[in-house]
Amino acid sequence: ELKVEQNPLFLSMQEGKNYTIYCNYSTTSDRLYWYRQDPGKSLESLFVLLSNGAVKQEGRLMASLDTKARLSTLHITAAVHDLSATYFCAVDMSGAQKLVFGQGTRLTINP
Amino acid sequence: GAVVSQHPSWVICKSGTSVKIECRSLDFQATTMFWYRQFPKQSLMLMATSNEGSKATYEQGVEKDKFLINHASLTLSTLTVTSAHPEDSSFYICSAGEGVNTEAFFGQGTRLTVV
Repeated sequence: ELKVEQNPLFLSMQEGKNYTIYCNYSTTSDRLYWYRQDPGKSLESLFVLLSNGAVKQEGRLMASLDTKARLSTLHITAAVHDLSATYFCAVDMSGAQKLVFGQGTRLTINP
Repeated sequence: GAVVSQHPSWVICKSGTSVKIECRSLDFQATTMFWYRQFPKQSLMLMATSNEGSKATYEQGVEKDKFLINHASLTLSTLTVTSAHPEDSSFYICSAGEGVNTEAFFGQGTRLTVV
């Protein structure tokens, strides 16, 4: 059974600081997603990581994937308040869009 | 990216009644769609895989007679919550993709409140 674990689950940080969210998964997969969810909303796709060593960046967010370590990271650079949200990683079990989600990381960025 | 649309966005129903939620792929055909459930402050849990023209596949612990799924066309899957109870109150989200090894796209979600 595929398990996906994120840490930390809660993160409160100051604007301007850097931090990393970690996503570990238990079985082999070559497709990992990062999503953002605002309260009461659905998921907003941030990154799709398809291969070992993949790195993608968008604004202050950068995601990477190490399939050998079964680890993905979401790095936040110089955080701003607008990035406050819950972030989920999800692993595609079979290439058929059937996803297993991590627990989510609730990120609060304080002015 | 591809667009997946859910309807309604929110619904309030009385305990014991049934509620139908629609999930449509607007600009692509999807032989498979997925239904997830999210309780407050929790993650998304896969409920079932909706297969066009055949029976849905339910995850362990999900009652197939309570959560009826119909995928009658390549662009529409419906989830009917039968005899809803307050514990069924949740955020239901569907997803679909354009084919194997393509990205999953999510609908806007449906907030179900059973009173």
